Amino acid sequence: EVQLVESGGGLIQPGGSLRLSCAASGFPVSGNDMSWVRQAPGKGLEWVSVFYSGGSTYYGDSVKGRFTISRDSSKNTLYLQMNSLRAEDTAVYYCVRHGSGSYFDCWGQGTLVTVSS
Amino acid sequence: EIVMTQSPATLSVSPGERATLSCRASQSVSSNLAWYQQKPGQAPRLLIYGASTRATGIPARFSGSGSGTEFTLTISSLQSEDFAVYYCQQYYNWPLTFGGGTKVEIK
Repeated sequence: EVQLVESGGGLIQPGGSLRLSCAASGFPVSGNDMSWVRQAPGKGLEWVSVFYSGGSTYYGDSVKGRFTISRDSSKNTLYLQMNSLRAEDTAVYYCVRHGSGSYFDCWGQGTLVTVSS
Repeated sequence: EIVMTQSPATLSVSPGERATLSCRASQSVSSNLAWYQQKPGQAPRLLIYGASTRATGIPARFSGSGSGTEFTLTISSLQSEDFAVYYCQQYYNWPLTFGGGTKVEIK
């Protein structure tokens, strides 16, 4: 069964750092493009970052320079390192797998990140 | 950045009726358009990609149409489990962008 399980969310003070993990099962993360998508409380969806199967990475303007996406093929896990966190980064963060195009055919259950003092 | 605009924001429909949701792109996205369904407390679920191709396991009452800048998601006969928020997403250009969502509620 194809599954994505996120972890690592929590309450963090502004300016702090957090690392999210996404453990995949049923398929290899290294063979698929993978992204993080977030959703602020009561709001819509925002794409955050992509890790292409070939190794390239891209970021949305709102997180560029602060967030880093990476993967560990041996653990079949995707990561999102989040630094210099701001209140506006508060959201549920979803790990997603890309389909044959850059749409998202598999979603994790999400992990909540709350940035507050 | 391509801006996706969904209308209406809220759609009140009776069970068994037809629902028509719209999504407009600020520039052409060809057929690189997906639709998702999200229920409260759950992750979104892929319904449609390529503007009109149903994802695996999606019932035939869901259909997508359109190309370029105008797209439609139609639910032919609303079932109780279809009341949810629906998002469109373009994947023609980076950054990938979503519409603001349409909430389909029980009339």
